[in-house]
Amino acid sequence: DVQMTQSPSSLSASVGDRVTITCRASQSISTYLNWYQQKPGRAPKFLIHGASSLQSGVPSRFSGGGSGTDFTLTINSLQPEDFATYYCQQSYTPPLSFGGGTKVEIK
Amino acid sequence: EVQLVESGGGLVQPGRSLRLSCTPSGFTFGDYAMSWIRQAPGEGLEWVGFIRTKAYGGTTKYAASVQGRFTISRDDSTSIAYLQMNGLKTEDTAVYYCARADGATGYYGDLYYYMDVWGKGTTVTVSS
Repeated sequence: DVQMTQSPSSLSASVGDRVTITCRASQSISTYLNWYQQKPGRAPKFLIHGASSLQSGVPSRFSGGGSGTDFTLTINSLQPEDFATYYCQQSYTPPLSFGGGTKVEIK
Repeated sequence: EVQLVESGGGLVQPGRSLRLSCTPSGFTFGDYAMSWIRQAPGEGLEWVGFIRTKAYGGTTKYAASVQGRFTISRDDSTSIAYLQMNGLKTEDTAVYYCARADGATGYYGDLYYYMDVWGKGTTVTVSS
């Protein structure tokens, strides 16, 4: 099975900051990597598929990159509504495992 | 509006069974794979499994933690997806989400899935 590891597990940032979250796969998964955002008490929201393809309606300050085993989610100019937990997920092979999540908190 | 609504959650004793339902609206159910994901209290997301469309054989895949106990099925005539959970354990306590699994063509020309629409979830509590 492919194990997904996110870092950091949490971070504190201010509105306007640029934030980068890292996701690492235990084996190469090409670009079969998705990102989701979850706010407390809410269902996850889909952000990015294929490592870098932004879902329609997601603000352009979100971007994804990487291939193979190392991936990033970058939020440029963090907005108040971006404070949430972010999860990566691999779609290379079942089980379609998630990373442990990165909580983005207000500094 | 595209949406999914889960139902069937509740309190159940260890060893018993429960069946969750996922009812879609706003899209053609038969055109999409469907996935179940769960989240234990205070924990992260755990993929439970998915079922492909009939065009792709309607085949299923599961996480090791539920393999042999949980079964995902779909009824395209009534547009409902199901998660049958047998032999429930206390560690199955979680919010269960169903999600639409859309597909895209990957680098190798194969199909990969991403969960683009999620329901609000239904809570399953396994306790004596």
